[in-house]
Amino acid sequence: QVQLQESGPGLVKPSETLSLTCTLSGGSFSTYYWSWIRQPAGKGLEWIGRISARGSTSYNPSLKSRVTISVDVSKNQFSLNLTSVTAADTAVYYCARRVAGGGTAWLDPWGQGIVVTVAS
Amino acid sequence: DIQMTQSPSSLSASVGDRVTVTCRASQHISTSLNWYQQKPGKAPGLLISIASNLQSGVSSRFSGSGSGTDFTLTISSLQPEDFATYYCQQSYLIPYTFGQGTKLEIK
Repeated sequence: QVQLQESGPGLVKPSETLSLTCTLSGGSFSTYYWSWIRQPAGKGLEWIGRISARGSTSYNPSLKSRVTISVDVSKNQFSLNLTSVTAADTAVYYCARRVAGGGTAWLDPWGQGIVVTVAS
Repeated sequence: DIQMTQSPSSLSASVGDRVTVTCRASQHISTSLNWYQQKPGKAPGLLISIASNLQSGVSSRFSGSGSGTDFTLTISSLQPEDFATYYCQQSYLIPYTFGQGTKLEIK
């Protein structure tokens, strides 16, 4: 059974860099794309970006100047770096696997999420 | 970006009711539309992909339809475990975008 688990600090100071890692267990890393999504408390979902096992990335233009997603296939992990954070970046951060089929794609499964608060 | 608009934003219904949630895309997205269910404190889970493909293990009381710009999620007979928030999501163009969610509450 494919499972994803986010890890990283739950508290980040304003202007610093948010760094999270997502670890895959029970599945193959190499044939999929891997995404980050976030959700501020009580609000909707925002797609942050994705990476392939080979390191090809796509980012949401709204965050592109501050986001880097990287991958470590040997560890079955991919990571999110978000620089110059503010309170607006406080959210639950999810990682998810992008599955392709029928000419399109979907996100499944998702990690359980990690709460990140930006505060001094 | 493609804007996804769900209606209604919230809905009160009773066990056994048939309910429909609508999702409209700001441009043509073919059938690149997915539906997720989210319960409080939990991650979203995939219900339906490619507009109408029910995921393995998901109850057949859930169904999806539509193509182009207009899509629907229907629950044929509400069960207590169905009270949750539902999101549509387009994967036609990057960035992927979600609807604002429809919160389904018990009447």
